[in-house]
Amino acid sequence: AQSVTQLDSQVPVFEEAPVELRCNYSSSVSVYLFWYVQYPNQGLQLLLKYLSGSTLVKGINGFEAEFNKSQTSFHLRKPSVHICDTAEYFCAVSESNQGGKLIFGQGTELSVKP
Amino acid sequence: GAVVSQHPSRVICKSGTSVKIECRSLDFQATTMFWYRQFPKQSLMLMATSNEGSKATYEQGVEKDKFLINHASLTLSTLTVTSAHPEDSSFYICSASPGQANNYGYTFGSGTRLTVV
Repeated sequence: AQSVTQLDSQVPVFEEAPVELRCNYSSSVSVYLFWYVQYPNQGLQLLLKYLSGSTLVKGINGFEAEFNKSQTSFHLRKPSVHICDTAEYFCAVSESNQGGKLIFGQGTELSVKP
Repeated sequence: GAVVSQHPSRVICKSGTSVKIECRSLDFQATTMFWYRQFPKQSLMLMATSNEGSKATYEQGVEKDKFLINHASLTLSTLTVTSAHPEDSSFYICSASPGQANNYGYTFGSGTRLTVV
């Protein structure tokens, strides 16, 4: 069975500093990987996704993530964060044989301080 | 881009009553929609997969008689929380995809905050 682990529940960082939000997954089949952002009392917005091809994926708002199959990881990075990046970030996995069901990690609360 | 509208955004109901939440795909057709539940400061838990024209598929531990799902058209799925109790208070979110979900990604509704008093 697939599972997703986000290693950090909270990540505090100063404005303009780089950030990495970690995500590891387990699965016995091919997977598709996603990062979503959630602002308070709102739904989820897709930041980026990995389906196939280049392991470095660029998304919106300056975020990028790298798929590492050997380490079963899909860490999210941004070289310089802004106050408005403060939000909850979710890593999600969909297995190729599961009809599109998304399994989410526990979420990481990114808090950007001035 | 693909837009999913969820209504209402907030609802407060009395214990024992039923509440219906709507999820609409505004500019695309969705044969499959997904319903999630999110407790405060927690992740999204998949409740069920809603299939147009057929019965929903519920995840283990989700009471299908408690959470009724109807997907009567290609643009509308509804979740009805029947005989709601305070423990049903939560944030409910739907999602849909305009095509092969793994190719197009999923679009999420803005969520419904249900409070049962």
